Amino acid sequence: NAGVTQTPKFRVLKTGQSMTLLCAQDMNHEYMYWYRQDPGMGLRLIHYSVGEGTTAKGEVPDGYNVSRLKKQNFLLGLESAAPSQTSVYFCASSARDEGWGNSPLHFGNGTRLTVT
Amino acid sequence: AQTVTQSQPEMSVQEAETVTLSCTYDTSESNYYLFWYKQPPSRQMILVIRQEAYKQQNATENRFSVNFQKAAKSFSLKISDSQLGDTAMYFCAFMRTGTASKLTFGTGTRLQVTL
Repeated sequence: NAGVTQTPKFRVLKTGQSMTLLCAQDMNHEYMYWYRQDPGMGLRLIHYSVGEGTTAKGEVPDGYNVSRLKKQNFLLGLESAAPSQTSVYFCASSARDEGWGNSPLHFGNGTRLTVT
Repeated sequence: AQTVTQSQPEMSVQEAETVTLSCTYDTSESNYYLFWYKQPPSRQMILVIRQEAYKQQNATENRFSVNFQKAAKSFSLKISDSQLGDTAMYFCAFMRTGTASKLTFGTGTRLQVTL
């Protein structure tokens, strides 16, 4: 079982370059999320999606865009990378929980991005 | 907005001993869920234990248990019979019901289990 797969695992960008992180899940989950993890700050929600074709802003959305064209994929884009975006990025997915919090999040293994 | 506070950046425990990690949170909601996640050096996020706020009974999962004090907004994790494989970052997280399962994380506690 693949679960949640993130590509690439590592990436180094120069300031101003663009890139897209890909998240794919094979569990038919409705909800998908992008978090970033920085030292001393835990994980913070960037954007999320509650279904195909929908996206919403999280806690730290500035400088990022997302798309959910297919239910199984959630893309995170950086149009013009900045050193402040150096971080570890995690994708996660969960089933629709009808508001009862019954569905745990399944995380990918993260992408380490360095912007120089 | 909810906040989650983990006041212990680092902790150390000897193998086979018991350790307690602290977590407090702030919310005006009455229905919510609390979680502890483990992140070993592999970077994988692993769900350790989950507590529903409406349940008074503390959750347990094998060697892991919580002390949930709703009035005090406290949610500590107790690890019994610590093992070397428990060495990891531990994150406390909060989820408000009806919010598409979005999690708010604390800043984490790095636990080192020693021989």
